[in-house]
Amino acid sequence: EAGVTQFPSHSVIEKGQTVTLRCDPISGHDNLYWYRRVMGKEIKFLLHFVKESKQDESGMPNNRFLAERTGGTYSTLKVQPAELEDSGVYFCASSHLRTSGKNEQFFGPGTRLTVL
Amino acid sequence: GENVEQHPSTLSVQEGDSAVIKCTYSDSASNYFPWYKQELGKRPQLIIDIRSNVGEKKDQRIAVTLNKTAKHFSLHITETQPEDSAVYFCAAPGGTSYGKLTFGQGTILTVHP
Repeated sequence: EAGVTQFPSHSVIEKGQTVTLRCDPISGHDNLYWYRRVMGKEIKFLLHFVKESKQDESGMPNNRFLAERTGGTYSTLKVQPAELEDSGVYFCASSHLRTSGKNEQFFGPGTRLTVL
Repeated sequence: GENVEQHPSTLSVQEGDSAVIKCTYSDSASNYFPWYKQELGKRPQLIIDIRSNVGEKKDQRIAVTLNKTAKHFSLHITETQPEDSAVYFCAAPGGTSYGKLTFGQGTILTVHP
């Protein structure tokens, strides 16, 4: 079974530019999450999709961030315009939609975003 | 919402020693507690998890204990090896079983040969 994949692995952009990150979840996983880890700090939640619907976007920092999951498969996270404080590693995770309490989330390798 | 505190932030041990990392959570509705290991430059990987109906779970050299009353859970690694060196994160879901995980701040574990 292929794991969660993310593209690109690294992105270096200048302040004010736009970047789009992509996540391909494990096939069949209806839950898709975006997280961010800023240097040396905890992994922080950004957004949760169930299929193509946004279930929880309480962690999105501001309206410069836009996430989509058209068709309920892969997802994109666009940052426009990027600011210095957006630098960090963006992780995507996916999990099965279960009726029981265990929600094992599988993480992708992350996209390291550097805004100069 | 859920708040997770993790200690210590760094932990240095000699090979063969035990390592213990502790986390506390705030939302009594949390019912699932995973631990992730992140090696340098790699993805976080689930190493063990525990449901709230269980007090302890063990998998070879790794164990997790849960105290629901006190709202804390701990990771125990015995007979540590250099390859155990990594950042370890605890997490809790809060009141939503299928939703976001709230992570602790992470513990950098270094195992010296």
